[in-house]
Amino acid sequence: QQQVKQSPQSLIVQKGGIPIINCAYENTAFDYFPWYQQFPGKGPALLIAIRPDVSEKKEGRFTISFNKSAKQFSLHIMDSQPGDSATYFCAASGDTGFQKLVFGTGTRLLVSP
Amino acid sequence: NAGVTQTPKFRILKIGQSMTLQCTQDMNHNYMYWYRQDPGMGLKLIYYSVGAGITDKGEVPNGYNVSRSTTEDFPLRLELAAPSQTSVYFCASSSLGNSPLHFGNGTRLTVT
Repeated sequence: QQQVKQSPQSLIVQKGGIPIINCAYENTAFDYFPWYQQFPGKGPALLIAIRPDVSEKKEGRFTISFNKSAKQFSLHIMDSQPGDSATYFCAASGDTGFQKLVFGTGTRLLVSP
Repeated sequence: NAGVTQTPKFRILKIGQSMTLQCTQDMNHNYMYWYRQDPGMGLKLIYYSVGAGITDKGEVPNGYNVSRSTTEDFPLRLELAAPSQTSVYFCASSSLGNSPLHFGNGTRLTVT
């Protein structure tokens, strides 16, 4: 019940395409869903996050869609660029006042020029 | 602006050896974390700390120990290294329990 399942494992799109990464969770106590971006040789960095009181959140070219009833959330990258090539992790935590994040297994994205 | 600094960047250990992975942050964050990252497995929480003198186990604490004597430092100790501890280790910090994590650039550890 603590797992967050992420798919696909890897993804290749052409520049300008819209890669979509999906995550699913079981624990209904989760109420914070961040996405982290990781470049090779670096630590992950927060990209965007959502709470279940909204169904969508946009920050620049990055959008999270959230479906509470299906217990799923996804990341969309509009007009993808080669610089977006990275590994993306979804995560989830409950509102315990402490962010004990459960991470997905990661998606390696390659945006070809 | 250093953020979270981890040392060393790389290390090779023989089975049974011990070592300490260092982590320091200059953001005056109360919360600090240790994660390990294995290919295809995501990040798993090893230990965390909510302030100096307070630590607790995460999801995969076996084989590791931590201490938090100051706000800035959160070292991770491996006492008897095993091949299963071959991984990339990330230290992170956050100002509040529910604020974004700031990660260091990791320590790649190989145990042979």
